[in-house]
Amino acid sequence: RKEVEQDPGPFNVPEGATVAFNCTYSNSASQSFFWYRQDCRKEPKLLMSVYSSGNEDGRFTAQLNRASQYISLLIRDSKLSDSATYLCVVIIIKAAGNKLTFGGGTRVLVKP
Amino acid sequence: DAGVIQSPRHEVTEMGQEVTLRCKPISGHDYLFWYRQTMMRGLELLIYFNNNVPIDDSGMPEDRFSAKMPNASFSTLKIQPSEPRDSAVYFCASRLGGVDQPQHFGDGTRLSIL
Repeated sequence: RKEVEQDPGPFNVPEGATVAFNCTYSNSASQSFFWYRQDCRKEPKLLMSVYSSGNEDGRFTAQLNRASQYISLLIRDSKLSDSATYLCVVIIIKAAGNKLTFGGGTRVLVKP
Repeated sequence: DAGVIQSPRHEVTEMGQEVTLRCKPISGHDYLFWYRQTMMRGLELLIYFNNNVPIDDSGMPEDRFSAKMPNASFSTLKIQPSEPRDSAVYFCASRLGGVDQPQHFGDGTRLSIL
């Protein structure tokens, strides 16, 4: 089993619709979580951190479910420009050096 | 502000050749990361440095790969000898401060080994 798993998609989303997807992690010691966005043939860019209590940034909502060991990202009122691959990052904080793992990404295609 | 700068943007070379990828982190950032991205394996962390010191190189695939950070503004990732399976996009990223801070990625180096 991979340490961090994402549904690769693609999620085909009508413009204006809501889409949500998860990222599951296997190590319960994971402590820090992020969502990154990567456009085709571009570098990953930070979308948002994921806080324990959940957090929103405009149309984007991130949540953490420690009991079930997953984080989620919800996009409301999808725009064509939201089409991208969304990567989750899971970090285990250790004294000897933090372990950082990216998920394989979920591809989202927003269509008119 | 200048972001993370990587060079070259593209490299095509024959197997067996030495390949050197370069990275200039954002000024003042104290963490530097090297990643490799392929369709099959996704984005993999190869090694990261804190204050120019390698902290975790467990992701480096094998002895053919080496990374150095001689000063706070420069790092190299070297592959010698290169093999076709090393073909990938190699990203460098830097970060200021702890794990709750974002990483800033360079544009990547697209490497093709023939």
